[in-house]
Formats: sequence, C-alpha cells, structure tokens
Amino acid sequence: GQQVMQIPQYQHVQEGEDFTTYCNSSTTLSNIQWYKQRPGGHPVFLIQLVKSGEVKKQKRLTFQFGEAKKNSSLHITATQTTDVGTYFCAEANQAGTALIFGKGTTLSVSS
Amino acid sequence: NAGVTQTPKFRVLKTGQSMTLLCAQDMNHEYMYWYRQDPGMGLRLIHYSVGEGTTAKGEVPDGYNVSRLKKQNFLLGLESAAPSQTSVYFCASSTHGGFSYNEQFFGPGTRLTVL
Repeated sequence: GQQVMQIPQYQHVQEGEDFTTYCNSSTTLSNIQWYKQRPGGHPVFLIQLVKSGEVKKQKRLTFQFGEAKKNSSLHITATQTTDVGTYFCAEANQAGTALIFGKGTTLSVSS
Repeated sequence: NAGVTQTPKFRVLKTGQSMTLLCAQDMNHEYMYWYRQDPGMGLRLIHYSVGEGTTAKGEVPDGYNVSRLKKQNFLLGLESAAPSQTSVYFCASSTHGGFSYNEQFFGPGTRLTVL
C-alpha cells in the first residue's frame, strides 16, 4: 500500500546546528504537507508543497519538494530549543480523501 | 472560535468496557478524521468522514466504530476495549480532501489507557 518513509527517526543536535529531515514516498505525489508536534501537544500544520522542485521558506525553516515529486525535505538552520518536537510529513491517499502520515522525525536540541 | 475540541482528555478503562470519544469542530469543515498515535508509529488513521452522514475506514479500523450524525461532530466508539487500544487519540478536520489545500486542524487529544 501507499507508504511515506521519514528519516531519521530521531535526531539530537546542539543549539545552533542545522537539522534536516527527509520524506520519501512510494508514489508520485500530488502534494505534500508538513506538521510539527511539540512534546505533549497536537500536530500543527506548517506548510503544503504542490509544485515540482518547489522551495518555500518560513524564517529558519526551508521546505523542498523533489523534482520528481517523490520526496521532500525540511531543513532548519541554526536550531533553537523552540524547534524541539516531532516533524511529520503527510501525503494524500490515492482517493484524495485523507492524509497518510510518515512516522515522524523527533528533534531534540541541547543548549 | 474553539477550533477542534475533544472530550474527554483522559480516560482509564478496564478490558471489555465500552466508551465513546467525542470530537467537535466549529469551522464548518466537511472532512473529519480520527487518528491514534503510539510511540514510534506516527499518526495512523482509524476512520474518517467526508461529510455529514458518511464514514469510511482508514488504516486501522478494527475494534472501532464511528458516526457523523451532525456535520460538526464526529464520534469514535470502542465497543469492547482491549489493552492494545491504549493510545493517544487525535481528531482532526479539514475543508477539503487530499488533492486540494486541506490543512488539517487537530484537537488536543484524548489519552486512553485500557487495563
């Protein structure tokens, strides 16, 4: 079935270091979404990518959609302790009625 | 606007007991979803609804039932709880399905323990 693979599962960095999480799909994607979940909280939508090769930035976060629309990445420049949490990518199911989430990358940051 | 709310926030059940989790949204969204989240497993879709009166199975529907009698409410039922259903349950809603801009708004979650 349709799967979304995310790597790494866990990442620990020192504050100020960069961080990247990768999302790979078994199918060509119509779009991809990214969510962040703080410890003890609920997932919160960050962004949606639609176009092949698309790059979007939100302050220190850079989101990229692969040229073949089968992968995506989230890069955080100069991490801060506020970046701690789990980052999920999600793709639409084939019927377009629901999202399939990756297992997430949990980021911890030490100061 | 309250967004998406979930009732209750916490619950402890004994094996074999039944319960209903309530999700309510005040954003007039068509689509509603129930997920469960277990350590290392991400968010797994249990059931979803594309509109009032409709329901559909997700990835892990066994042991759960749902109803969407009113557009703003989506109920998740456990008829005979099992320890394997110990999890955090999230409800979410969105305006559209997966092929258009469909940011999902999540509720705060219900932490369920089945002994």
